[in-house]
Amino acid sequence: AQRVTQPEKLLSVFKGAPVELKCNYSYSGSPELFWYVQYSRQRLQLLLRHISRESIKGFTADLNKGETSFHLKKPFAQEEDSAMYYCALRVYNQGGKLIFGQGTELSVKP
Amino acid sequence: EAGVTQSPTHLIKTRGQQVTLRCSPISGHTSVYWYQQALGLGLQFLLWYDEGEERNRGNFPPRFSGRQFPNYSSELNVNALELEDSALYLCASSLLSFARTGELFFGEGSRLTVL
Repeated sequence: AQRVTQPEKLLSVFKGAPVELKCNYSYSGSPELFWYVQYSRQRLQLLLRHISRESIKGFTADLNKGETSFHLKKPFAQEEDSAMYYCALRVYNQGGKLIFGQGTELSVKP
Repeated sequence: EAGVTQSPTHLIKTRGQQVTLRCSPISGHTSVYWYQQALGLGLQFLLWYDEGEERNRGNFPPRFSGRQFPNYSSELNVNALELEDSALYLCASSLLSFARTGELFFGEGSRLTVL
C-alpha cells in the first residue's frame, strides 16, 4: 500500500535551532517525493521536490531509499518558518495524484 | 495571473442534503484534483480529472462524484451528506507536464459543515 507517515503533529523549536521534520513512506515502486508548506492564511504550496535536490529557504531534504525516508531539514530555524508542512508521494502513472502525510506543524519561537 | 479559485468558501448543510463545490483551475491547466481535509486526517485524495475525463478516484463512496467541463473547470458533488463529510475541500490544478515540475497549485478551499 502507498502511504506517507509524518510521526510528529507538532514540532516546537527556538529560533536558530536546527529543525528536522520527519517523513517516512511506503511504496513499492521508485518514489517521487515532495514537501508542501502552508503558511498562516496562505494556500498550500510546493516547497521542494527530491528530484531537484535543491535548497529552498534554507530547507533541504534527502531521499533515503534504504530507510524509506524523506526528512526535511534546516540548520537554523527562523520565526517565518512557522507553518504546516506536508510530505507527499507521487504515484507512478497516476498523473499528479499525490498522497499526503498528515502534516507537521512547525512552531519557531523567538 | 489568477490562481485556482473555489466557491463557495464556506457553507453549512444538514444531513441528507446534497452539495456542489466549484473549482476554476489556473489558465492553461488541464488537470484538476480534489482533496478532502478533515480534522486530524490530513489531505485525502478524492478525484482527478484531466481533459474532461475522470482519471482516478480515491477510496470514497460513490456519493462523492464530480465532473470537468470543456473549459477545465470542475465540480465536486456530494450526495446524502453525513456528519463526517464536514471538512475543507481543496481543489488543485496542474499542467499536463506535471511530470517535469511536480507541482500542484491549490485553491483556498471550500469549508463544508454538516449539521
